[in-house]
Amino acid sequence: SQQGEEDPQALSIQEGENATMNCSYKTSINNLQWYRQNSGRGLVHLILIRSNEREKHSGRLRVTLDTSKKSSSLLITASRAADTASYFCATEESGGYNKLIFGAGTRLAVHP
Amino acid sequence: DGGITQSPKYLFRKEGQNVTLSCEQNLNHDAMYWYRQDPGQGLRLIYYSQIVNDFQKGDIAEGYSVSREKKESFPLTVTSAQKNPTAFYLCASRTDNSPLHFGNGTRLTVT
Repeated sequence: SQQGEEDPQALSIQEGENATMNCSYKTSINNLQWYRQNSGRGLVHLILIRSNEREKHSGRLRVTLDTSKKSSSLLITASRAADTASYFCATEESGGYNKLIFGAGTRLAVHP
Repeated sequence: DGGITQSPKYLFRKEGQNVTLSCEQNLNHDAMYWYRQDPGQGLRLIYYSQIVNDFQKGDIAEGYSVSREKKESFPLTVTSAQKNPTAFYLCASRTDNSPLHFGNGTRLTVT
Protein backbone atom coordinates (compact mmCIF):
# COMPACT_ATOMS: atom_id res chain seq x y z
CA SER A 1 0.00 0.00 0.00
CA GLN A 2 1.20 3.51 -0.75
CA GLN A 3 1.40 5.81 2.25
CA GLY A 4 2.50 9.05 0.59
CA GLU A 5 0.77 10.35 -2.51
CA GLU A 6 2.34 13.23 -4.40
CA ASP A 7 0.50 15.89 -6.30
CA PRO A 8 0.85 16.88 -9.09
CA GLN A 9 2.16 13.82 -10.93
CA ALA A 10 4.04 16.08 -13.35
CA LEU A 11 5.03 19.74 -13.30
CA SER A 12 6.58 21.80 -16.09
CA ILE A 13 7.95 25.29 -15.36
CA GLN A 14 10.44 27.86 -16.64
CA GLU A 15 13.78 28.56 -15.02
CA GLY A 16 13.45 31.09 -12.23
CA GLU A 17 9.91 30.09 -11.31
CA ASN A 18 9.00 28.37 -8.05
CA ALA A 19 7.89 24.73 -7.97
CA THR A 20 5.52 23.37 -5.33
CA MET A 21 4.86 19.69 -4.79
CA ASN A 22 2.45 18.21 -2.28
CA CYS A 23 2.36 14.92 -0.41
CA SER A 24 -0.54 13.41 1.51
CA TYR A 25 -0.39 10.43 3.82
CA LYS A 26 -2.79 8.31 5.82
CA THR A 27 -1.41 7.34 9.23
CA SER A 28 0.46 8.90 12.15
CA ILE A 29 4.12 9.38 11.34
CA ASN A 30 7.46 9.85 13.09
CA ASN A 31 8.87 11.88 10.22
CA LEU A 32 8.44 12.69 6.56
CA GLN A 33 11.32 12.79 4.12
CA TRP A 34 11.74 14.23 0.63
CA TYR A 35 14.03 12.67 -1.95
CA ARG A 36 15.14 13.51 -5.47
CA GLN A 37 15.85 11.02 -8.26
CA ASN A 38 17.58 11.74 -11.52
CA SER A 39 16.60 9.41 -14.33
CA GLY A 40 17.94 5.88 -13.89
CA ARG A 41 19.74 6.66 -10.66
CA GLY A 42 19.29 6.07 -6.94
CA LEU A 43 17.45 8.55 -4.74
CA VAL A 44 19.17 11.36 -2.90
CA HIS A 45 17.85 12.68 0.40
CA LEU A 46 16.81 16.34 0.46
CA ILE A 47 15.08 17.12 3.77
CA LEU A 48 13.72 15.24 6.78
CA ILE A 49 10.99 16.91 8.85
CA ARG A 50 9.89 15.41 12.15
CA SER A 51 6.28 15.15 13.26
CA ASN A 52 6.73 17.93 15.85
CA GLU A 53 8.15 20.36 13.25
CA ARG A 54 6.05 22.57 10.99
CA GLU A 55 8.58 24.03 8.58
CA LYS A 56 12.15 23.42 7.53
CA HIS A 57 14.52 25.13 5.10
CA SER A 58 17.59 23.99 3.24
CA GLY A 59 19.04 26.36 0.66
CA ARG A 60 16.34 26.90 -2.01
CA LEU A 61 14.14 24.18 -0.48
CA ARG A 62 11.31 24.78 1.95
CA VAL A 63 9.26 21.95 3.43
CA THR A 64 6.11 22.30 5.48
CA LEU A 65 4.26 19.65 7.45
CA ASP A 66 0.65 19.79 8.61
CA THR A 67 -0.03 16.72 10.74
CA SER A 68 -3.68 17.68 11.25
CA LYS A 69 -4.23 17.46 7.48
CA LYS A 70 -1.69 14.68 7.03
CA SER A 71 0.05 16.61 4.31
CA SER A 72 3.41 18.12 3.41
CA SER A 73 4.66 20.42 0.69
CA LEU A 74 8.06 20.91 -0.92
CA LEU A 75 8.81 24.31 -2.42
CA ILE A 76 11.80 24.83 -4.69
CA THR A 77 12.45 28.52 -5.20
CA ALA A 78 14.16 30.12 -8.21
CA SER A 79 14.26 26.80 -10.06
CA ARG A 80 17.10 25.84 -12.38
CA ALA A 81 17.28 23.43 -15.29
CA ALA A 82 19.42 21.19 -13.05
CA ASP A 83 16.41 20.77 -10.72
CA THR A 84 14.77 18.62 -13.40
CA ALA A 85 14.16 15.28 -11.69
CA SER A 86 11.51 13.21 -9.92
CA TYR A 87 10.72 14.11 -6.33
CA PHE A 88 9.35 11.64 -3.80
CA CYS A 89 8.05 11.89 -0.27
CA ALA A 90 8.53 9.02 2.15
CA THR A 91 6.88 8.52 5.50
CA GLU A 92 7.95 6.57 8.54
CA GLU A 93 4.89 5.48 10.46
CA SER A 94 4.74 5.84 14.22
CA GLY A 95 5.73 2.49 15.67
CA GLY A 96 6.58 1.46 12.11
CA TYR A 97 9.79 -0.31 13.04
CA ASN A 98 11.94 1.56 10.55
CA LYS A 99 9.58 0.92 7.65
CA LEU A 100 9.61 3.78 5.08
CA ILE A 101 6.91 4.00 2.43
CA PHE A 102 7.25 6.11 -0.72
CA GLY A 103 4.68 7.82 -2.88
CA ALA A 104 4.51 7.74 -6.68
CA GLY A 105 6.47 10.97 -7.06
CA THR A 106 6.24 14.25 -8.96
CA ARG A 107 8.18 14.58 -12.23
CA LEU A 108 9.52 18.12 -12.45
CA ALA A 109 10.76 19.58 -15.73
CA VAL A 110 12.47 22.99 -15.59
CA HIS A 111 12.93 24.59 -19.01
CA PRO A 112 15.76 27.06 -19.71
CA ASP B 1 34.32 7.09 0.85
CA GLY B 2 31.38 5.37 2.50
CA GLY B 3 28.43 4.28 0.45
CA ILE B 4 26.22 1.55 -0.93
CA THR B 5 27.26 -0.57 -3.86
CA GLN B 6 24.78 -2.44 -5.97
CA SER B 7 25.95 -4.86 -8.59
CA PRO B 8 25.58 -5.47 -11.40
CA LYS B 9 24.09 -2.30 -12.90
CA TYR B 10 22.28 -4.28 -15.62
CA LEU B 11 21.20 -7.90 -15.37
CA PHE B 12 19.52 -10.11 -17.94
CA ARG B 13 17.93 -13.46 -17.18
CA LYS B 14 15.71 -15.99 -18.83
CA GLU B 15 12.27 -16.64 -17.40
CA GLY B 16 12.27 -19.41 -14.82
CA GLN B 17 15.74 -18.68 -13.48
CA ASN B 18 16.46 -17.38 -10.00
CA VAL B 19 18.76 -14.37 -9.85
CA THR B 20 20.52 -12.69 -6.91
CA LEU B 21 21.14 -8.95 -6.71
CA SER B 22 24.02 -7.77 -4.57
CA CYS B 23 23.93 -4.89 -2.07
CA GLU B 24 26.92 -3.97 0.09
CA GLN B 25 27.33 -0.97 2.42
CA ASN B 26 30.30 0.32 4.41
CA LEU B 27 28.35 2.97 6.32
CA ASN B 28 27.99 0.82 9.43
CA HIS B 29 24.21 1.14 9.14
CA ASP B 30 22.01 -1.33 10.99
CA ALA B 31 18.95 -1.17 8.73
CA MET B 32 18.87 -2.13 5.05
CA TYR B 33 16.06 -2.06 2.51
CA TRP B 34 15.11 -3.34 -0.93
CA TYR B 35 12.69 -1.41 -3.12
CA ARG B 36 11.32 -2.09 -6.56
CA GLN B 37 10.58 0.71 -9.03
CA ASP B 38 8.59 0.25 -12.23
CA PRO B 39 8.76 2.82 -15.08
CA GLY B 40 7.22 6.15 -14.09
CA GLN B 41 6.25 4.77 -10.70
CA GLY B 42 7.24 5.23 -7.10
CA LEU B 43 9.18 2.81 -4.93
CA ARG B 44 7.54 -0.24 -3.42
CA LEU B 45 9.09 -1.94 -0.40
CA ILE B 46 10.07 -5.59 -0.89
CA TYR B 47 11.99 -6.50 2.28
CA TYR B 48 13.81 -4.68 5.03
CA SER B 49 16.18 -5.69 7.80
CA GLN B 50 16.81 -3.82 11.03
CA ILE B 51 19.60 -6.02 12.29
CA VAL B 52 21.76 -8.96 11.29
CA ASN B 53 19.89 -12.28 11.00
CA ASP B 54 16.50 -10.54 11.04
CA PHE B 55 14.31 -9.22 8.24
CA GLN B 56 10.67 -8.33 7.59
CA LYS B 57 8.44 -8.51 4.54
CA GLY B 58 7.45 -5.29 2.88
CA ASP B 59 4.39 -4.69 0.74
CA ILE B 60 5.41 -6.86 -2.24
CA ALA B 61 7.56 -9.69 -0.81
CA GLU B 62 5.97 -12.53 -2.80
CA GLY B 63 8.46 -14.11 -5.21
CA TYR B 64 11.48 -12.58 -3.46
CA SER B 65 13.83 -13.76 -0.70
CA VAL B 66 16.61 -12.12 1.28
CA SER B 67 19.30 -12.92 3.82
CA ARG B 68 21.21 -10.78 6.30
CA GLU B 69 24.17 -12.82 7.50
CA LYS B 70 26.47 -9.80 7.74
CA LYS B 71 25.80 -6.20 8.68
CA GLU B 72 27.34 -5.00 5.42
CA SER B 73 25.41 -7.23 3.03
CA PHE B 74 21.73 -7.67 2.12
CA PRO B 75 21.37 -9.73 -1.08
CA LEU B 76 18.00 -10.05 -2.80
CA THR B 77 17.01 -13.16 -4.73
CA VAL B 78 14.33 -12.81 -7.37
CA THR B 79 12.82 -16.26 -7.71
CA SER B 80 10.97 -17.84 -10.59
CA ALA B 81 7.79 -17.40 -8.54
CA GLN B 82 7.90 -13.63 -9.12
CA LYS B 83 5.39 -13.12 -11.95
CA ASN B 84 6.71 -9.84 -13.30
CA PRO B 85 10.35 -9.47 -12.25
CA THR B 86 11.53 -6.94 -14.84
CA ALA B 87 12.10 -3.72 -12.91
CA PHE B 88 14.64 -1.32 -11.39
CA TYR B 89 15.76 -2.54 -7.95
CA LEU B 90 17.09 -0.13 -5.34
CA CYS B 91 18.90 -0.97 -2.13
CA ALA B 92 19.17 1.50 0.76
CA SER B 93 20.45 1.67 4.31
CA ARG B 94 20.06 3.93 7.33
CA THR B 95 20.60 4.31 11.06
CA ASP B 96 17.69 5.00 13.41
CA ASN B 97 15.60 8.04 12.46
CA SER B 98 18.07 9.10 9.77
CA PRO B 99 17.49 9.44 6.02
CA LEU B 100 18.02 6.57 3.62
CA HIS B 101 21.22 6.25 1.64
CA PHE B 102 20.59 4.63 -1.72
CA GLY B 103 22.70 2.65 -4.12
CA ASN B 104 22.53 3.38 -7.84
CA GLY B 105 20.26 0.46 -8.55
CA THR B 106 20.20 -2.70 -10.64
CA ARG B 107 18.04 -2.86 -13.74
CA LEU B 108 16.80 -6.43 -14.15
CA THR B 109 15.34 -7.63 -17.43
CA VAL B 110 13.76 -11.07 -17.61
CA THR B 111 12.77 -12.45 -21.01
